[in-house]
Amino acid sequence: SQQGEEDPQALSIQEGENATMNCSYKTSINNLQWYRQNSGRGLVHLILIRSNEREKHSGRLRVTLDTSKKSSSLLITASRAADTASYFCATAFDSWGKLQFGAGTQVVVTP
Amino acid sequence: SQTIHQWPATLVQPVGSPLSLECTVEGTSNPNLYWYRQAAGRGLQLLFYSVGIGQISSEVPQNLSASRPQDRQFILSSKKLLLSDSGFYLCAWRASGGSETQYFGPGTRLLVL
Repeated sequence: SQQGEEDPQALSIQEGENATMNCSYKTSINNLQWYRQNSGRGLVHLILIRSNEREKHSGRLRVTLDTSKKSSSLLITASRAADTASYFCATAFDSWGKLQFGAGTQVVVTP
Repeated sequence: SQTIHQWPATLVQPVGSPLSLECTVEGTSNPNLYWYRQAAGRGLQLLFYSVGIGQISSEVPQNLSASRPQDRQFILSSKKLLLSDSGFYLCAWRASGGSETQYFGPGTRLLVL
C-alpha cells in the first residue's frame, strides 16, 4: 500500500509563479525524500529531510516537515517551464532504506 | 562517479512468455539494490530489495522473482508473464553503510500483450 498521499494531484501554473505541493503519510518515518520524474523517465532525487529536521533548502526548492501532522510540503519558487514534471514524496521507515511512494503531483509550468 | 544502467529500455512481450530485466551499477561496492514497479499515472511500488549477493527480500506476492548473481547486478525475472505485469520497472541503488538517498535508473517499460 502507498504510505504517502500528494496533494494536489495536478497543478498548472505560469513561469515565475511558485508551486506548492503537499504530502501526507501514515506511520513514523526515518526520513522523507522528494523526487522528480519527467515523462517516461527515471526518478531524479531532489531533497531529503530527516525526521528530526523541520526545513531544508536546495536552490529554488524548500521542503518542510511536520512530524506531528505527518505531513511535508515542497515549494518550488520562481518556476520555469523545465520544472514541468511529476513530483513524488517517498518515506523511509526502516534501516533497509525501503521507500513508500505517494501517487505524485503532476506540475505543468506554461511560458 | 556512480551510474546505474537498465536494459532493455522498452520491451513488448506476449502473455506467457519469460522475462529478464537487468540492472547494473558502476562506481560503488556492495550497494543496496531495489526493484520498483510504476503503474500508469501512479507512484512506485517496491517489489524486491537486496543487501548483498544472493540476498533477496520480496515485498509483495507476485508473478516475478529477483536475483543478484553479482555484487552490482540485479535481475528481475518471470517464467510466464501476465497482462498485469505491464508497467514501468525501475531499479535503484543506495550506498551501504547508512546512506539514505536512493538513485534510480532510467527504467524499463514493459508491455505484455
